This record gives sequence, C-alpha cells and structure tokens, in this order.
Amino acid sequence: QSVLTQPPSMSAAPGQKVTISCSGSSSNVGRNDVFWYQQFPGKAPQLLIYDDDKRPSGIADRFSGSKSGTSATLAITGLQTGDEADYYCGTWDSSLRGWGVFGTGTRVTVL
Amino acid sequence: HLLESGGGLVQPGGSLRLSCAASGFIFSDYVMTWVRQAPGEALEWVSVISYTGDSTYYAESVKGRFTIFRDNSRDTLFLQMYSLRAEDTATYFCAKKYCSAPGCPFGFDVWGQGTMVTVSS
Repeated sequence: QSVLTQPPSMSAAPGQKVTISCSGSSSNVGRNDVFWYQQFPGKAPQLLIYDDDKRPSGIADRFSGSKSGTSATLAITGLQTGDEADYYCGTWDSSLRGWGVFGTGTRVTVL
Repeated sequence: HLLESGGGLVQPGGSLRLSCAASGFIFSDYVMTWVRQAPGEALEWVSVISYTGDSTYYAESVKGRFTIFRDNSRDTLFLQMYSLRAEDTATYFCAKKYCSAPGCPFGFDVWGQGTMVTVSS
C-alpha cells in the first residue's frame, strides 16, 4: 500500500512547468531523504532525483526536487513530449521496524 | 547491470524463486532491494537486504511468505516466494542502492528490466 500521496495526473503544454507533490508523514518524508523516479510504460524506473534535491549525472536540469516538512515536490520546467511518463516519489519509513515506501504515482501528459 | 529471471505462471499457494544477476559494480558493496508493480498499478516496495545479507526487511504484505537472500560469491540476489496469492501478480524489479556508504538513504540508481510473476489457476 502506498503511504505517500501524489496527484494521479498532471498535464501541461510543451514548454510549461508542472509540479508534482508527494505528501507523507513525519516518519517518512519528514525524516528521510526523498527520491524521485521516472518510469516509461513497460520500462524499469529511472532515478531522477536523490537526497531530496540532487540530480544524478545525465539528468537534465529541467528536473528539480525540493522538500518542506512532510511534503516533497518534483518540478519539471520546459516540458517536452519526451517527459510523458509516470513519476514516483520514494523513501524509507522509520516507523516500527522500518520499511520502504513509494508514492501513488503521477502520470504526466504533455498536451 | 541487473538481470532478473525466474518469473512465470504459478498456481495460488505455489512457490517461485526469482534471481537477479549483477554485473558492472562490486555487488557485495551495495544494499539491494526488490520492488514490484502490479499491472497498471504503482510501484510497491517488497524487501531489502544488507551488504552481507544478515539484515533484511519486508513489506507487511509479504512478511512470512517471501525470503530475500544474496550470494555475494555469485553476484546474485534472490527472492524466494512461498504461498503465492493472486495479489502477488506483478512485475518484480531488483535494484541497487545508489550509494555504498553506511547510512546511505533509501534510493536506487540501477534497476533490472523486471520479471513477470503471474499467480493464477
């Protein structure tokens, strides 16, 4: 069960900006670093953002992450048709013995 | 870098063992995880194992039925699944933690292509 809440879908025209929220709690987003993944249909997820706001090498600077309290945000600026994909946040939940958690996922559509 | 195998069709109550062969990095230096995705659904974390294999964690949905283990001499990660249910039907991905330092946050930078498990009679 996903315990991190994301909007099911977001859409915008090419060149525009979308922001995807990831809402959690003090035991997960509020305590541990958040990661963002991009997934195209039928493919494996790809790491997009790590440690809340850092980009792996090779990831365009159009992608940025931030976090405040128990919510994290992924922003995509200069939207391109190739950005149409599903986006997931993920982190560790430190409650009880600990477990991994992912967001509910957001489908981004470029109009 | 990661290649899963072992998926297939199994009857409810049956067992299956998934494998994940690693290459291109020092396997024994990294925490490894299994993540699954039911058709049309979100990613769901399944299990994680420490570098040496002596520490493991499981999602509540699979605890007591799945066992994660690794063979560092063969650079291979495994997921042994017992008492399979229809709701275990999913593509199973293995993934490598993005850094090897102790206390490294819970993120994964290398993923396999996935192996499909279908539980059905």
